[in-house]
Amino acid sequence: SYELTQPPSVSVSPGQTASITCSGDKLGDKYVCWYQQKPGQSPVVVIYQDNKRPSGIPERFSGSNSGNTATLTISGTQAMDEADYYCQAWDSGTGVFGTGTKVTVL
Amino acid sequence: QVQLVQSGAEVKKPGASVKVSCKVSGHTLSELSMYWVRQAPGKGLEWMGGSDREDDETIYAQKFQGRVTLTEDTSIDTAYMELSSLKSEDTAVYYCTTGFTRLPAAHFDFWGQGTLVTVSS
Repeated sequence: SYELTQPPSVSVSPGQTASITCSGDKLGDKYVCWYQQKPGQSPVVVIYQDNKRPSGIPERFSGSNSGNTATLTISGTQAMDEADYYCQAWDSGTGVFGTGTKVTVL
Repeated sequence: QVQLVQSGAEVKKPGASVKVSCKVSGHTLSELSMYWVRQAPGKGLEWMGGSDREDDETIYAQKFQGRVTLTEDTSIDTAYMELSSLKSEDTAVYYCTTGFTRLPAAHFDFWGQGTLVTVSS
């Protein structure tokens, strides 16, 4: 079955840039989206179709996808961005989530 | 704006079944593609299954094949997820989720509040 791998954790200082990778075989051939989940809350989509931001999502969130790796970048990270982040893609009509990355803003 | 409201928490014994409901408001269920995702305590998100409205075919994750059944009652805009032969490992929060974009670009714009299912003897 298809797998998406993320680093377990990323630490970033306030105002700095956080980059979260998502790796999968030929991932660049698929659309990737990213979800943010804070404790006790339902996930929220922050990036869809590789690099599009839903309305209401700050411009500091951006995405890219090429080759075997998709990347979520948070520029000028704020304390409110501390959360778990999951990438997600589709493989033959089956949804697949990444392993998840905990972003800590120190 | 689509809203998804799920049924309340459940406690089940091993071997039993559970059925979680997801009521849609703000839109018509028959025009949405509904999916189900679960999250075990302290763990990541896990896609269980769902159907793209255009395909009208329900696809289940291989892990849940034969144990999960997804159904809909479009007359009351409610989707259901039934999981049978419950094990302690099925203890998790179960989410219904949907969006307007179709495969292969589908993403989940709207989520239910989650339903905690606890499996314990």
